Amino acid sequence: SQQGEEDPQALSIQEGENATMNCSYKTSINNLQWYRQNSGRGLVHLILIRSNEREKHSGRLRVTLDTSKKSSSLLITASRAADTASYFCATDAWGNNYKLSFGAGTTVTVRA
Amino acid sequence: EAGVAQSPRYKIIEKRQSVAFWCNPISGHATLYWYQQILGQGPKLLIQFQNNGVVDDSQLPKDRFSAERLKGVDSTLKIQPAKLEDSAVYLCASRGNRGFSYGYTFGSGTRLTVV
Repeated sequence: SQQGEEDPQALSIQEGENATMNCSYKTSINNLQWYRQNSGRGLVHLILIRSNEREKHSGRLRVTLDTSKKSSSLLITASRAADTASYFCATDAWGNNYKLSFGAGTTVTVRA
Repeated sequence: EAGVAQSPRYKIIEKRQSVAFWCNPISGHATLYWYQQILGQGPKLLIQFQNNGVVDDSQLPKDRFSAERLKGVDSTLKIQPAKLEDSAVYLCASRGNRGFSYGYTFGSGTRLTVV
């Protein structure tokens, strides 16, 4: 079963705008990770946030985590055409023996 | 460090045929995963190995899917016989042993089409 649920399912923005996507999950987690996937290829790890962290930055990426609401958000600032991809959140849950459970993803299209 | 290697990149087979996928994880990574990703969905875990032992294969359709990890390094995932619904991208990932905050590395995947 899939642990995370992303929202929205699809997002279309103009180059230079910010893109925000959300993830909700069901059970307690060790950490939450965000991945990018281009055209059904392999997953690229973007950022990991631990359960005791509330916010993390990496370049143009900002991730927040609210464990009380079991939700996370990924913000991509100043988007570029190269950011066009599918984005997945994945949870690494307590007692889950270190394996990731993925949501269905958000497809982001950045228009030039 | 080298990434996770997978082959082949693409495979087209007819239903009821057999197919095998190969994965070489990052050197020294004890944990290896196979995920199935159907178009439009997120990856779903099929099987998890720790060294050469199976940790979790609860979602592996064992009547047709099998996997092994000889000597705790390379792994092979086999489907026999294939069904149309097995069309998907099969992703291999590996993970080191630096605690729960360590990320996973995925291969580029094998895209399987069953016709």
